[in-house]
Amino acid sequence: NAGVTQTPKFRILKIGQSMTLQCTQDMNHNYMYWYRQDPGMGLKLIYYSVGAGITDKGEVPNGYNVSRSTTEDFPLRLELAAPSQTSVYFCASSLSTEAFFGQGTRLTVV
Amino acid sequence: GENVEQHPSTLSVQEGDSAVIKCTYSDSASNYFPWYKQELGKRPQLIIDIRSNVGEKKDQRIAVTLNKTAKHFSLHITETQPEDSAVYFCAASRIQAGTALIFGKGTTLSVSS
Repeated sequence: NAGVTQTPKFRILKIGQSMTLQCTQDMNHNYMYWYRQDPGMGLKLIYYSVGAGITDKGEVPNGYNVSRSTTEDFPLRLELAAPSQTSVYFCASSLSTEAFFGQGTRLTVV
Repeated sequence: GENVEQHPSTLSVQEGDSAVIKCTYSDSASNYFPWYKQELGKRPQLIIDIRSNVGEKKDQRIAVTLNKTAKHFSLHITETQPEDSAVYFCAASRIQAGTALIFGKGTTLSVSS
């Protein structure tokens, strides 16, 4: 049972490049989330999904897009990377209460 | 939307002392309040949670209290140990209502021996 798996673990992007952060879970959870973590700022919700085909904006959605075509996968897309998107990104999933987090992706935009 | 405030941002205690972290929330419909612990370089992990129909919950050295009227909840750690050193996050949400966990900014707890 792998839980929540994120790839890649580390990535350096140049300004203006695009990339997709992958997230998959094998717990058959309906809810999935993307958070970003910046020093002293806690975990900010980017987007979330309550089930396949349904996504909603969180607190800081600008510059990101998501899709949820299957229960297992919830990729996060950065279209035009900016230095402000340098952060640690966490994907999480839950059934209804406890959220299980992936190991995180450390992204640097230079 | 929900807004969660957490205090203090840093807390230093001596081993064996108690530590208290406080959070307030804005959405009176929130009914689920978890606490997560994040060790350096690791992912956040749930340590305890409480639902709005309960005023207090305890698990060994940690306890959480909830005051729905005042919209605040607190984490209490007794007999602190060096391995309690970590960042602690509170969060709030509405269970099964299509909402997500909204987190506070975190408290860095340092326990010195």
